[in-house]
Amino acid sequence: GPKVLQIPSHQIIDMGQMVTLNCDPVSNHLYFYWYKQILGQQMEFLVNFYNGKVMEKSKLFKDQFSVERPDGSYFTLKIQPTALEDSAVYFCASSLADKNTLYFGAGTRLSVL
Amino acid sequence: GEQVEQRPPHLSVREGDSAIIICTYTDSATAYFSWYKQEAGAGLQLLMSVLSNVDRKEEQGLTVLLNKKDKQLSLNLTAAHPGDSAVYFCAVGGRGSALGRLHFGAGTQLIVIP
Repeated sequence: GPKVLQIPSHQIIDMGQMVTLNCDPVSNHLYFYWYKQILGQQMEFLVNFYNGKVMEKSKLFKDQFSVERPDGSYFTLKIQPTALEDSAVYFCASSLADKNTLYFGAGTRLSVL
Repeated sequence: GEQVEQRPPHLSVREGDSAIIICTYTDSATAYFSWYKQEAGAGLQLLMSVLSNVDRKEEQGLTVLLNKKDKQLSLNLTAAHPGDSAVYFCAVGGRGSALGRLHFGAGTQLIVIP
């Protein structure tokens, strides 16, 4: 089936530094999402993105977070600066037009030290 | 807001037995229901999805039941095999969550013993 790739699979970073998580969505998909899963907890919605704009975001999507997809390249989640509580697995997803058929990547485990 | 509870967190069954995973949700406006499978190191794979006008759906050894009265969604693997070993998540969304804002259960780690 359609594949969403996330790079890297694991990232370790010092608190206060900037990190960019990369997602290569399914090629013809138009909607992009980030979800966050803290160890032992449920996966939670962060943000969705369509036509170059954030359409909806949750309260977990702090001011230090930003997303973009410049020129059809990677869909990225940037955190600047990082905090200890940002340690989690971040899942990227994409969908075509069918609003709720999401295809997920394998996640990037972010460890903030 | 929507609360989703999933049980059990861990489930071990023998090959050929059935495995049942249940999610309960709180928002009566929930209109979209889905189950995902996550194998080690892989992304979430969509298994099946149903809308609120469907009570039962069967596909390839999987049965999804939706009980709107009790706000309960279940996934039944009718004859589990070792390849079914994975973590399973339910995910639900409301009619208004047009852009993929799904609420996930905490996951069930299923182990199928040969």
